[in-house]
Amino acid sequence: GAVVSQHPSRVICKSGTSVKIECRSLDFQATTMFWYRQFPKQSLMLMATSNEGSKATYEQGVEKDKFLINHASLTLSTLTVTSAHPEDSSFYICSGGEVRKAGGRGQETQYFGPGTRLLVL
Amino acid sequence: AQSVTQPDIHITVSEGASLELRCNYSYGATPYLFWYVQSPGQGLQLLLKYFSGDTLVQGIKGFEAEFKRSQSSFNLRKPSVHWSDAAEYFCAVLGPGGGNKLTFGTGTQLKVEL
Repeated sequence: GAVVSQHPSRVICKSGTSVKIECRSLDFQATTMFWYRQFPKQSLMLMATSNEGSKATYEQGVEKDKFLINHASLTLSTLTVTSAHPEDSSFYICSGGEVRKAGGRGQETQYFGPGTRLLVL
Repeated sequence: AQSVTQPDIHITVSEGASLELRCNYSYGATPYLFWYVQSPGQGLQLLLKYFSGDTLVQGIKGFEAEFKRSQSSFNLRKPSVHWSDAAEYFCAVLGPGGGNKLTFGTGTQLKVEL
């Protein structure tokens, strides 16, 4: 259980175009979805956190007008890279958070999608 | 702020040998800890997690981890490594005060020699 899918798995686009990446939780409802960026041989960098029906919270240094996040339902979040440039080329990974409440404190486990490789020419 | 340290950037073991990947955390309260594995070009797969209770946690693929509060550690172990275990391993801690952000370590690249 707890499967997250991403589409597309890889995309090549021209500089200046916009690219949309979909993230879906297939067998659970993700109260929160997260978007990460990963550079080669590095750890994951959190870009933003989104809750269904509300605006995303962006990490410091991440341009919200550049990386548009929509969390339309408990099973779908999208990341749109607007006016993409070569420096936006990266591996983008989403995750869905599943929460089990215990003792008043949420125990959230994040389940990750397979990632999307973006190459901007 | 919380932090996670994985002291070993690369580890090489022979197939069939035992494995221990180190993870140390800095955190003020009881941490929620995770180990994830990432194969090349793939997303992260959850191996195991610790929230509370028994400090020895069993995970998938024969992995286990032990939470040691006195040492601020959550090391990952496997008694006999298979060639398919070659991957990048990330330790992570969940945010403070019930916050839901994960803080990741820098990762350990595991190479398995046949």
